[in-house]
Amino acid sequence: GQNIDQPTEMTATEGAIVQINCTYQTSGFNGLFWYQQHAGEAPTFLSYNVLDGLEEKGRFSSFLSRSKGYSYLLLKELQMKDSASYLCAYLNSNYQLIWGAGTKLIIKP
Amino acid sequence: IAGITQAPTSQILAAGRRMTLRCTQDMRHNAMYWYRQDLGLGLRLIHYSNTAGTTGKGEVPDGYSVSRANTDDFPLTLASAVPSQTSVYFCASSDGLDRGHEQFFGPGTRLTVL
Repeated sequence: GQNIDQPTEMTATEGAIVQINCTYQTSGFNGLFWYQQHAGEAPTFLSYNVLDGLEEKGRFSSFLSRSKGYSYLLLKELQMKDSASYLCAYLNSNYQLIWGAGTKLIIKP
Repeated sequence: IAGITQAPTSQILAAGRRMTLRCTQDMRHNAMYWYRQDLGLGLRLIHYSNTAGTTGKGEVPDGYSVSRANTDDFPLTLASAVPSQTSVYFCASSDGLDRGHEQFFGPGTRLTVL
């Protein structure tokens, strides 16, 4: 494969916080994207990180550590509508996106 | 149309038949992409085009061809469909991944090859 991994499935409770991790290995790196995909729908953009650190956008935050090949997506105050798959993808040296298989997030009341 | 559209929404196709999936965007994006998405696998790039008149091969190009005659349209053709090409196909466009611009995705085409 293309050396990008994320958990297959996670379960969390409405109102709680969940962290979805993504690890990657690549010799060429030009940033990392997170997308949300509801069942039967197209992926939609959530965040982009190219520098180390935390980017906050409302209830969603994304973190990147380039030296560790690691990113996470943090979702706060979970709502039922957050039930979806979350896809991480890194931008390689050819500026092509290499995608993880996605993490299916199940929110329980 | 405001965005990116794909047609058909879904299709059942006999093996050996030729099929063209259509993709049109009205955002004047230079770059366009075709992906396939299979259960348990990430999105895999089939072909891409960085600008009208140019195309390139992605990770899984065999059995597929593309053309980019103008900025808006990026059709994907399966010359002779095989069952392993059963998948959901997404077209996407971007104003420039190299500048951190996101990809916008079409609604997808669900293709079944029997």
